[in-house]
Amino acid sequence: AQKITQTQPGMFVQEKEAVTLDCTYDTSDPSYGLFWYKQPSSGEMIFLIYQGSYDQQNATEGRYSLNFQKARKSANLVISASQLGDSAMYFCAMREALTGGGNKLTFGTGTQLKVEL
Amino acid sequence: DAGVIQSPRHEVTEMGQEVTLRCKPISGHDYLFWYRQTMMRGLELLIYFNNNVPIDDSGMPEDRFSAKMPNASFSTLKIQPSEPRDSAVYFCASSSRGVSNQPQHFGDGTRLSIL
Repeated sequence: AQKITQTQPGMFVQEKEAVTLDCTYDTSDPSYGLFWYKQPSSGEMIFLIYQGSYDQQNATEGRYSLNFQKARKSANLVISASQLGDSAMYFCAMREALTGGGNKLTFGTGTQLKVEL
Repeated sequence: DAGVIQSPRHEVTEMGQEVTLRCKPISGHDYLFWYRQTMMRGLELLIYFNNNVPIDDSGMPEDRFSAKMPNASFSTLKIQPSEPRDSAVYFCASSSRGVSNQPQHFGDGTRLSIL
């Protein structure tokens, strides 16, 4: 069975600093992928970034990057140059490939990030 | 492009009443997922559909919960009778088939309160 662990219930970071949100996973499937989602206080779930297990390079999307360490089974999200609008809950999720395409997601418990002035 | 649309955004009702949550997925998406989010249990997958057919409903908590997808552009999640412990945020998400990096796109959720 797949398992996702986010050990930081809450994190604080100063504006303009970088912050790393931890995510570790466990799976016996050699082919897997990890998604990060952001949930602001307004409640919607926003897709941020994806990392596949066979991807040669760490994923990047603007100020978001993934520190993917396969041997350690970790896929930490790095947010550079934090902004006040980054304050939100962040979820790591692992995909399970579905027959016929598509992904089923298992979510971690989330990390609440607060960006301070 | 329109995203996943859920209605209502908020629902407050009394215990024992029937509750119907609605979802319109993104056009062209093959998969539709219903999730429940609570403080205690986090995000839980309740059921998902592929091409309007329910594939896995193992996450549906009880027989009081049912979900349908009569066509590619509409799905409902029904709770009858509702109980206070059903209070949660319910999300609908959709995704397309194809390459492995396809994210699920979420609606804004329905915040359900059962009194």
